[in-house]
Amino acid sequence: GAVVSQHPSWVICKSGTSVKIECRSLDFQATTMFWYRQFPKQSLMLMATSNEGSKATYEQGVEKDKFLINHASLTLSTLTVTSAHPEDSSFYICSARDVNGKEQFFGPGTRLTVL
Amino acid sequence: AQTVTQSQPEMSVQEAETVTLSCTYDTSESDYYLFWYKQPPSRQMILVIRQEAYKQQNATENRFSVNFQKAAKSFSLKISDSQLGDAAMYFCAYRFATNKLIFGTGTLLAVQP
Repeated sequence: GAVVSQHPSWVICKSGTSVKIECRSLDFQATTMFWYRQFPKQSLMLMATSNEGSKATYEQGVEKDKFLINHASLTLSTLTVTSAHPEDSSFYICSARDVNGKEQFFGPGTRLTVL
Repeated sequence: AQTVTQSQPEMSVQEAETVTLSCTYDTSESDYYLFWYKQPPSRQMILVIRQEAYKQQNATENRFSVNFQKAAKSFSLKISDSQLGDAAMYFCAYRFATNKLIFGTGTLLAVQP
């Protein structure tokens, strides 16, 4: 089946620094990738939709200047949390849609802790 | 706006028994997809079952089946012959025509040996 990887799986950073999270589709091309945030014991909340070669579309309430998304190729999307603060600590999950578009394949997630 | 509601924060089932998880949704679209995802402690999202709204037949995947009531906007998941490995958080999800997914709040399923 289709595999999506994320790197790193866990990152700790100091407040004020930036962190980049990678999402890769390993065995298929993904024209669209999605980024979600999941706080403890809560559901997944869509942050943005990332389309290869174009600007990301952000959900209402998500700061596009804080959460920079780049989808430079059909197999890679990156999420950069800029000037991270403790309230940005969360579990970030990406998913990728295959060209048939029938389902999304999820990455294993990245746990971000901001001290 | 589309919404997904899971009214059971927690459920418990005895091993080998059957359990049903509830999900209701609201939409004005006529064609859409509904999903059940499983999230075990590893937090990897695993697709359990998918239902296409234009199909009247309820989807089935081995021990997992759904009861899709389009008019009532209800989409429940039935797990038969529950196994210890079924213990996880289960999310109901609705997919927009744009392929965006919105998730319910989840149901934490415990399986008692």
